[in-house]
Amino acid sequence: SQQGEEDPQALSIQEGENATMNCSYKTSINNLQWYRQNSGRGLVHLILIRSNEREKHSGRLRVTLDTSKKSSSLLITASRAADTASYFCAPGYSTLTFGKGTMLLVSP
Amino acid sequence: DTEVTQTPKHLVMGMTNKKSLKCEQHMGHRAMYWYKQKAKKPPELMFVYSYEKLSINESVPSRFSPECPNSSLLNLHLHALQPEDSALYLCASSWTSGGRNTGELFFGEGSRLTVL
Repeated sequence: SQQGEEDPQALSIQEGENATMNCSYKTSINNLQWYRQNSGRGLVHLILIRSNEREKHSGRLRVTLDTSKKSSSLLITASRAADTASYFCAPGYSTLTFGKGTMLLVSP
Repeated sequence: DTEVTQTPKHLVMGMTNKKSLKCEQHMGHRAMYWYKQKAKKPPELMFVYSYEKLSINESVPSRFSPECPNSSLLNLHLHALQPEDSALYLCASSWTSGGRNTGELFFGEGSRLTVL
């Protein structure tokens, strides 16, 4: 298994703004997942994008995947204070391991 | 029912105690996981069970002893822990095919362990 590397490590925005975070990985994958973790809670699965997909949407989330660059991005549009959390990408092939994540702070 | 239930939510134990963390899911998943998470760090994989058999042990010290008594239950037995073992212990489950995770992990809310 491999872990992704999220960038930036921390992101601070105002409510209503968009938040973009990136993920890079090293070896080929069959899918990539994004998870959210509110402070002290369990992780929640947000979205899974397969290696043959370039873009996927789910509500206010938009995920892209560029397998040639081995990178993915997660865009949260019209952010809310409730989006404050850590976000992890997980390049999946077998068992999932997690990178350091991006800590997003959305201020009212 | 798409829930992974972990008990207890909080546990305080001394270094000589023996305690257990429990995890339960009824989604029919045949892969179950233990992760350990220290403050401000990502979850670290500890153990993976696939079809009730231990398939991955990430070089975890023997003071942590996992057990999967059936396809719905996963335990983590704790004995002679150290203060540095204090952490959030997360259980997860997923579908599996041929021993490989095939999709999303469903996480419990974790058990917050403090070792005195």
